[in-house]
Amino acid sequence: GENVEQHPSTLSVQEGDSAVIKCTYSDSASNYFPWYKQELGKRPQLIIDIRSNVGEKKDQRIAVTLNKTAKHFSLHITETQPEDSAVYFCAASIPPRNTGKLIFGQGTTLQVKP
Amino acid sequence: NAGVMQNPRHLVRRRGQEARLRCSPVKGHSHVYWYRQLPEEGLKFMVYLQKENIIDESGMPKERFSAEFPKEGPSILRIQQVVRGDSAAYFCASRAGAGTDTQYFGPGTRLTVL
Repeated sequence: GENVEQHPSTLSVQEGDSAVIKCTYSDSASNYFPWYKQELGKRPQLIIDIRSNVGEKKDQRIAVTLNKTAKHFSLHITETQPEDSAVYFCAASIPPRNTGKLIFGQGTTLQVKP
Repeated sequence: NAGVMQNPRHLVRRRGQEARLRCSPVKGHSHVYWYRQLPEEGLKFMVYLQKENIIDESGMPKERFSAEFPKEGPSILRIQQVVRGDSAAYFCASRAGAGTDTQYFGPGTRLTVL
């Protein structure tokens, strides 16, 4: 079945450094890849997403890259700040005309040290 | 995003009781997903509904769990005869409809089974 692997499970960086989180997916039909940020006790919040017809997308300090051939995608956060500390989840979705359900990775706990 | 409402936010039940979780999607959204998050784990897909129809329930346990999304009113996730292993955060997410991918999450219901 569909599967998404996410690494690393924990990541600690100094404020101002960059953070990279990587995910691989198994279903080649997947065509939508969102990233969610979840603070403790809060809802997952969409921070960026990418569709399979695009290789890279950037939004201020956040960027996502997609390699369809290798079936992996990555989240890049530059100039990290303490408020970036949270759990980050990648997900993959098959087309909505099927179900559009999201298959999530296991999560990465990012700690940004001041 | 802030438009997805869930209630109650916290629910405590004793083993054997019923839990009923409600989700009101973003106004105008006709697609609802339910996900379960066990402590310190990722989100797992449970069920996908459109108005009056269950489209995909492949992630739902075969027994004790049911979901509905009536023509009028919120989507309901019902867990009968709860057990301690049902303790988790239950999130619903909504999507606008055909041609859209983005899912917006509600604040979740944290179920504790004593």
